[in-house]
Amino acid sequence: DGGITQSPKYLFRKEGQNVTLSCEQNLNHDAMYWYRQDPGQGLRLIYYSQIVNDFQKGDIAEGYSVSREKKESFPLTVTSAQKNPTAFYLCASSPEPGQGATEAFFGQGTRLTVV
Amino acid sequence: GQSLEQPSEVTAVEGAIVQINCTYQTSGFYGLSWYQQHDGGAPTFLSYNALDGLEETGRFSSFLSRSDSYGYLLLQELQMKDSASYFCALGSWGKFQFGAGTQVVVTP
Repeated sequence: DGGITQSPKYLFRKEGQNVTLSCEQNLNHDAMYWYRQDPGQGLRLIYYSQIVNDFQKGDIAEGYSVSREKKESFPLTVTSAQKNPTAFYLCASSPEPGQGATEAFFGQGTRLTVV
Repeated sequence: GQSLEQPSEVTAVEGAIVQINCTYQTSGFYGLSWYQQHDGGAPTFLSYNALDGLEETGRFSSFLSRSDSYGYLLLQELQMKDSASYFCALGSWGKFQFGAGTQVVVTP
């Protein structure tokens, strides 16, 4: 079955540690995205990528980094510079970004807690 | 930049009709889409409007008016399972910008 896989589902991190969230898709989509969601809030864009080896900052990129070495993979690293990293992280993908983004397909999310 | 506004919460009884409004400010976009998210789950796509007018998908319909910078999602024949958060999102080249979401509470 085609889809987006995020792992792990739950992640605990100590303050001061970097952590990498995995996102893999087998939908053959060009565009991939990372969003952060806080309780009772909307989705805020962290980074997005329209093509392999290229990505752009979203609205809240500080303290995060990404890579896009393969079309199907878009890992997100939450660095120690991120002041308040506890949140629900959602990865998404969509086809044909050059023709306008129409629909995003989401993974099941990773819930990160800093302890 | 872009901004979207939605009501924070709407409550209705089973069988009723609910309209969730979304007003936006943007310098340009391709279309307005709508997503449903149940607690703890992932958002799922419901509907998309590239052009002005009404799009109907089963019990859900979505409307867009570019001249008024306004859209809405209409939920008909409400069911208990429709209790969830609903987000509008602007699609522009390469990315989506989401509203803060509307919590829909369906009561018996």
